[in-house]
Amino acid sequence: RKEVEQDPGPFNVPEGATVAFNCTYSNSASQSFFWYRQDCRKEPKLLMSVYSSGNEDGRFTAQLNRASQYISLLIRDSKLSDSATYLCVVLGYNKLIFGAGTRLAVHP
Amino acid sequence: DGGITQSPKYLFRKEGQNVTLSCEQNLNHDAMYWYRQDPGQGLRLIYYSQIVNDFQKGDIAEGYSVSREKKESFPLTVTSAQKNPTAFYLCASSDRGLTQYFGPGTRLTVT
Repeated sequence: RKEVEQDPGPFNVPEGATVAFNCTYSNSASQSFFWYRQDCRKEPKLLMSVYSSGNEDGRFTAQLNRASQYISLLIRDSKLSDSATYLCVVLGYNKLIFGAGTRLAVHP
Repeated sequence: DGGITQSPKYLFRKEGQNVTLSCEQNLNHDAMYWYRQDPGQGLRLIYYSQIVNDFQKGDIAEGYSVSREKKESFPLTVTSAQKNPTAFYLCASSDRGLTQYFGPGTRLTVT
């Protein structure tokens, strides 16, 4: 079983749609979680950290469910510029563990 | 501007040759990392360094070597012993927090 698993997608959605990504992790002792965004052929960039109580940053909402060991990212009112791959990242034993990413394509 | 630079952006080599990828940061970060990314896979950690003159192997260190003689620089050498060197290589750095900042990457193609 992979340490961090994501649905690879692609998720094809129209502009304005709400889309949600889930990610599961295997290490129940993990304490820190993140979502990174990676544009095609570019480097990953931190989108947001994920806190136990859930957190929101504009159109983006991240939630953590420790009991089920999954993290989610909700994007509301999708924009064309949201098209990218979203990487779920978990802090393992003193290192970050990256999921393979979920690809989002927003179309007009 | 502060940031991380990697050069070159694209690199082509013949099989059997060693090649060194450059990574420089002016963020004054202590920690630096090297990852490789292959299609459909997550980033995999090759080597990391928490402080000058010290580094540790990551998950896939075989066939790679690094040095950390200066805080700003963390070059990666892909040796001829690396069986599948063609990949997208990403360097990152972090301060004492957990956020890692990535360079633009180097795409290495070995034929």
